[in-house]
Amino acid sequence: DGGITQSPKYLFRKEGQNVTLSCEQNLNHDAMYWYRQDPGQGLRLIYYSQIVNDFQKGDIAEGYSVSREKKESFPLTVTSAQKNPTAFYLCASSSGRDFYEQYFGPGTRLTVT
Amino acid sequence: GQQVMQIPQYQHVQEGEDFTTYCNSSTTLSNIQWYKQRPGGHPVFLIQLVKSGEVKKQKRLTFQFGEAKKNSSLHITATQTTDVGTYFCAGQSGGSYIPTFGRGTSLIVHP
Repeated sequence: DGGITQSPKYLFRKEGQNVTLSCEQNLNHDAMYWYRQDPGQGLRLIYYSQIVNDFQKGDIAEGYSVSREKKESFPLTVTSAQKNPTAFYLCASSSGRDFYEQYFGPGTRLTVT
Repeated sequence: GQQVMQIPQYQHVQEGEDFTTYCNSSTTLSNIQWYKQRPGGHPVFLIQLVKSGEVKKQKRLTFQFGEAKKNSSLHITATQTTDVGTYFCAGQSGGSYIPTFGRGTSLIVHP
C-alpha cells in the first residue's frame, strides 16, 4: 500500500521538552511538507523539502527543525523554543513536478502541558 | 506574498440544500486544487484546475476556475450528510510548487 505514515497519532509532552514527529512516505515523491493546523486557521506551512539534504523554511518555521537525510523520511522536531506547540501536525508529499496534488498523512495531535 | 481568501468560514445547510464555497487569490494562479477534510481526519485531494474558465464535475460536486485565474468555486448540489467536512482550496503561482491554502469552509449538514 502506497502512502504516508505519521506516528504517533497522539503525543503528550511536558513544556520544555523537544519532541520529534515522524513522517515516512513510500510514494517515491521528491517533495515533502510539514503543516500545522489550528482551529479556524487552515493549514500553515512550517518547512518543506524538494530534494534530499535540502529544505526550506515555510511561513511559521520558528521553534521547529527538520532533516531530510532520506527521500522517504522527513521528521519534524518541535523544540522548546516553540511558544504554542499544541496543535495538529500534518505531513504531506507531492511529486514536485507538473501535477501538484498533495498526499497527506493521518496527522499527529501534539499536546504540550 | 500570495494570499488566498476563502469564504464563508462556516456554512450550515439542511440536507438536500446546495452549498458553495469561494476562493479568491491576490495574484494570478497557475493552478488551484481542492481538498476535503472530514472531522478528525486529514485533507484528501479532490481535484486540480489549470485552465482559465475550466469547469469540472465529480458527481454532485462542480468546480470552477475563473477566467482571470484568480478565483475558484466549489458547488455541491443536494448536500448529503456524507458531505460534512472542511473544504480547502490551495493555489500555486509563479512556477512555485508550494501551495497557499485558504482557511477552509466548514460544511455542516443537518439531517
